[in-house]
Amino acid sequence: ELVLTQSPATLSLSPGERATLSCRASQSVGSYLAWYQQKPGQAPRLLIYDASNRATGIPARFSGSGSGTDFTLTISSLEPEDFAVYYCHQSTNWPLFGQGTRLEI
Amino acid sequence: QVQLVQSGPEVKKPGSSVKVSCKASGDTSGHTFSNYGISWVRQAPGQGLEWIGRILPLVHISNYAPKFQGRLTITADESTSTAYMQLNSLTSEDTAVYFCARDVLPRGPSDYWGQGTLVTVSS
Repeated sequence: ELVLTQSPATLSLSPGERATLSCRASQSVGSYLAWYQQKPGQAPRLLIYDASNRATGIPARFSGSGSGTDFTLTISSLEPEDFAVYYCHQSTNWPLFGQGTRLEI
Repeated sequence: QVQLVQSGPEVKKPGSSVKVSCKASGDTSGHTFSNYGISWVRQAPGQGLEWIGRILPLVHISNYAPKFQGRLTITADESTSTAYMQLNSLTSEDTAVYFCARDVLPRGPSDYWGQGTLVTVSS
């Protein structure tokens, strides 16, 4: 059974700092890995798809990398609006989400 | 701009059923229902995202997460660009916000999301 494990569970940083979030798959998902941002009371928002492609309207400070089993979401310089929960998601077979990383100030 | 608009909040008794709708608009020529899938994802209070199932409206094929097999039905009406999620035999553990989302096929992400529908199961 495929499992997505995100780390860390919580990341405490300040505006202007660099954030690095990890997602590890228990088996290869190729490049079929997406990242979402979710703020309280809102639906998730697609940030990155196919591991490294930014979705429409997503600022350049967000970038994704990786393939196979190890993936990274990087936010180069945190803005106040970036503090939220981030989920990775794979769609190779049954769609599946990681458990999330909370990015807090 | 594609929009997915869901039906309003529901309060249900244990053992009953709920049916939530998701209407697509804003894209031309009904592309959402011709060329994409519609997934349903739920989020229990304070918890993460859980994919529960999906429909491919063009071919009327639905897939369900194993834990929901037998009590979840996802359908679609192309004439109104509306997808439906019906969950039966509700328990308190089904209390959650239910989202619909448009899936890029064949293995792409969910690029547009509905606003979410809170389903509360309580006696």
